[in-house]
Amino acid sequence: IAGITQAPTSQILAAGRRMTLRCTQDMRHNAMYWYRQDLGLGLRLIHYSNTAGTTGKGEVPDGYSVSRANTDDFPLTLASAVPSQTSVYFCASSDSAESSSYNEQFFGPGTRLTVL
Amino acid sequence: GQNIDQPTEMTATEGAIVQINCTYQTSGFNGLFWYQQHAGEAPTFLSYNVLDGLEEKGRFSSFLSRSKGYSYLLLKELQMKDSASYLCAAIDSNYQLIWGAGTKLIIKP
Repeated sequence: IAGITQAPTSQILAAGRRMTLRCTQDMRHNAMYWYRQDLGLGLRLIHYSNTAGTTGKGEVPDGYSVSRANTDDFPLTLASAVPSQTSVYFCASSDSAESSSYNEQFFGPGTRLTVL
Repeated sequence: GQNIDQPTEMTATEGAIVQINCTYQTSGFNGLFWYQQHAGEAPTFLSYNVLDGLEEKGRFSSFLSRSKGYSYLLLKELQMKDSASYLCAAIDSNYQLIWGAGTKLIIKP
């Protein structure tokens, strides 16, 4: 693989179910991010990881959890999905947590999640 | 609070020039990104500005004024494939990206 991949591409989920969105990058980037994108609201940061073994909360972390056991993988888990979590989810990575001209974020193709 | 403002939607004609504005209010400032996002796809990097002035890259240019908290993206010789959303994002003092809601650009023949 080259770049950053996400799975699944799309998913319809019943409310109350548990769901894990997968994200893998092969660029050896230290920092990884999860965003949700909703119409009219732009990208909102859910959780981030500056390096393997560490995670942090973003703007909208409630109802979501993440782990970063290694450099490449950064799964996002919805413990008990609710309809308000219907959104497009993007995973991103950057070489460093410090955004700069050499550290732009690279995005995965996204996961479209519908919670009924 | 931190805030990024950009127009929701703009329309332009193929072959013309369009300027998409972005104003920002952040706690500290460490630069500004512009990303392009086609419908149903991921955002892709267009430009980065940290110093005042104009950065030119082919048909696309990006301008920054730190004193005014203002940036714009200039697209020249518009092509139909430029129809997309353009996202402005400022880097705050904690090196977190603060994203605008995006400007949907519609190109008409």
